[in-house]
Amino acid sequence: SSELTQDPAVSVALGQTVRITCQGDSLRSYYASWYQQKPGQAPVLVIYGKNNRPSGIPDRFSGSSSGNTASLTITGAQAEDEADYYCNSRDSSGNHNVVFGGGTKLTVL
Amino acid sequence: EVQLVESGGGLVQPGGSLRLSCAASGFTFSSYEMNWVRQAPGKGLEWVSYISSSGSTIYYADSVKGRFTISRDNAKNSLYLQMNSLRAEDTAVYYCARDRDGYDQLYYYYMDVWGKGTTVTVSS
Repeated sequence: SSELTQDPAVSVALGQTVRITCQGDSLRSYYASWYQQKPGQAPVLVIYGKNNRPSGIPDRFSGSSSGNTASLTITGAQAEDEADYYCNSRDSSGNHNVVFGGGTKLTVL
Repeated sequence: EVQLVESGGGLVQPGGSLRLSCAASGFTFSSYEMNWVRQAPGKGLEWVSYISSSGSTIYYADSVKGRFTISRDNAKNSLYLQMNSLRAEDTAVYYCARDRDGYDQLYYYYMDVWGKGTTVTVSS
């Protein structure tokens, strides 16, 4: 399958923990990568591989994977974490295509 | 500083053509695979095309196959997207992004550097 499915919207209280999930057949072969996008800005990579954060990404962001589901967890969500989050992997059907999830709008209350 | 800067966007009529450019700096461009990714207004991210570091391997999304052509000039540290037969549904912000992959019990894939994007509007 070439699809990644995300919940359209998730909310979290300030300082609490939130998990954003991504489902798809390709995630049985690939770790998901995760991107944060704020309005009017380009996407920013926040998690890649098994659970790796690029330089400058706070350690409250973490990733995990099980079966066909990947998760992005924000532990102690901050107001500045309010954004759209996209998961991403390569299509596992062998055609080298790249797939993105539909995105999850995170609201920090 | 590692940087990608897109240019070439604008307003074009349906059926028209446009050539986008992406200038890379701060890294050895010729060593990296690259992508174009687009985002229609109010919509999510959509992968458009991939090119290998040498330019010898190219892939396209079905939505643009036969109409768009990706290319690169490693001597000029530049990536290009030639867009022909443009349609209203091609209206989007177009980003160039650096491609990375590897293996650690599972495969992993990500785009670690993104430009700020260039806007393409297809309208009469």
